[in-house]
Amino acid sequence: AQSVTQLGSHVSVSEGALVLLRCNYSSSVPPYLFWYVQYPNQGLQLLLKYTSAATLVKGINGFEAEFKKSETSFHLTKPSAHMSDAAEYFCAVSRSGSARQLTFGSGTQLTVLP
Amino acid sequence: DAGVIQSPRHEVTEMGQEVTLRCKPISGHDYLFWYRQTMMRGLELLIYFNNNVPIDDSGMPEDRFSAKMPNASFSTLKIQPSEPRDSAVYFCASQTDNEQFFGPGTRLTVL
Repeated sequence: AQSVTQLGSHVSVSEGALVLLRCNYSSSVPPYLFWYVQYPNQGLQLLLKYTSAATLVKGINGFEAEFKKSETSFHLTKPSAHMSDAAEYFCAVSRSGSARQLTFGSGTQLTVLP
Repeated sequence: DAGVIQSPRHEVTEMGQEVTLRCKPISGHDYLFWYRQTMMRGLELLIYFNNNVPIDDSGMPEDRFSAKMPNASFSTLKIQPSEPRDSAVYFCASQTDNEQFFGPGTRLTVL
């Protein structure tokens, strides 16, 4: 079975500061990993995905994440936060070869302070 | 492409009433998913279809919930009878390759 743990349900950063959202996964098989963003009253939008190719994955809006097997982590980063980054972020895992049965983390609400 | 379309966006109903949520996936996507999002339980997969056939409905909470996909461009999620604990945001998503595209959701309130 696969699972993800997102550390910190709420993260606040100042505009221009580094964004770091943490995700650790558990999987009995090589995983696929995803980060989604959800803006208020909207559905989830894919930021980036790891599907066993390059371990450093670049996504939209300047976000990137690094797959670290030894640490079972897939943390999301952005060098400089923008006000428009304020949203809820979800990490998700699925069995490799299949992005169908996603298991989502509990989400991290990102607040960007002016 | 208009993306995944869900209707209604908001639904308020009384306990015991039947509720039907609708979803139009992106054309050409062969997988369709129904999720439920609540504060307490987060985002849960209820059921998913492949080529209009239900593959896994183990996430459907009770027999009061049912889902159908009569054709490649339409799916419904029905709750009968509805209960206050069914209040949540219900998302539909469709998939191509390794990416799921989510609709805007239906916010259901059962009084």
